Amino acid sequence: DAMVIQNPRYQVTQFGKPVTLSCSQTLNHNVMYWYQQKSSQAPKLLFHYYDKDFNNEADTPDNFQSRRPNTSFCFLDIRSPGLGDAAMYLCATSRTKHMGTSYSKNIQYFGAGTRLSVL
Amino acid sequence: AQKITQTQPGMFVQEKEAVTLDCTYDTSDQSYGLFWYKQPSSGEMIFLIYQGSYDEQNATEGRYSLNFQKARKSANLVISASQLGDSAMYFCAIAGAGSYQLTFGKGTKLSVIP
Repeated sequence: DAMVIQNPRYQVTQFGKPVTLSCSQTLNHNVMYWYQQKSSQAPKLLFHYYDKDFNNEADTPDNFQSRRPNTSFCFLDIRSPGLGDAAMYLCATSRTKHMGTSYSKNIQYFGAGTRLSVL
Repeated sequence: AQKITQTQPGMFVQEKEAVTLDCTYDTSDQSYGLFWYKQPSSGEMIFLIYQGSYDEQNATEGRYSLNFQKARKSANLVISASQLGDSAMYFCAIAGAGSYQLTFGKGTKLSVIP
C-alpha cells in the first residue's frame, strides 16, 4: 500500500545533541510537510517542500532544518534540541498545494509520527 | 486568515450510536476546503473526509459524513454506528484559496463507551 513512513517511531536524545528524523513516501506526491505537535495541541507547520523548493514558516526556529534529497525522502534535523522541542513530529504529503475548485489533490496524508524526548 | 473553532473538548457516545462533532470556521476566502482528521492515541493523523466550498452535496465516506452548512459556516462531522475504535482525537481543518496551509482547530476527544 502506498503510504507515508516515519522513522523512528520514538527517539530519545540528549539536550543539545543533534538529531535527525526521517520520512519517506510511496505516494509520489510533490509536497512534503513537517509539523510539530505538542501535547494536547493542534499540529503546527514548521516547513514544507514543493518538489525541491523549500518553504520555511516565519516562526520556525533556526534550530530546525530540513533536507529533501529526492522525491521520496525528507529529513528533519534539529541542530541543538532543547527541552521545549520534545514533541510529536508529523510528516505529511500532498499531491499538490495549489488550490482549485477541487481540494482532493490538496489532501494531506500523514505518517505515524516520531515522538521525540529530550533528556 | 482562517480560523477553526471546535467547542467540544470532549464527548462520550454509546457504542453503535451516532455522534456529531461540531466545527465552525471563519474565512474571507470564497474558495476553501474543509477537512477532518482522526488522531488515535498512537499519534498518527488519519484523513477522514473533506468538503470543498463549491461542493453542493455533503461529503460522505463510509460511516463518516460532513454536514456542511455554508451560510452558518459550519462543517460538522457525523459518525454513524460508533465503534470502540472510533475513540480518538478529531481535528477539523481549513485551507483557503491559493493556500497549502491547513489551519487546525483544537480538537475534540471522542470516547466510545461499550
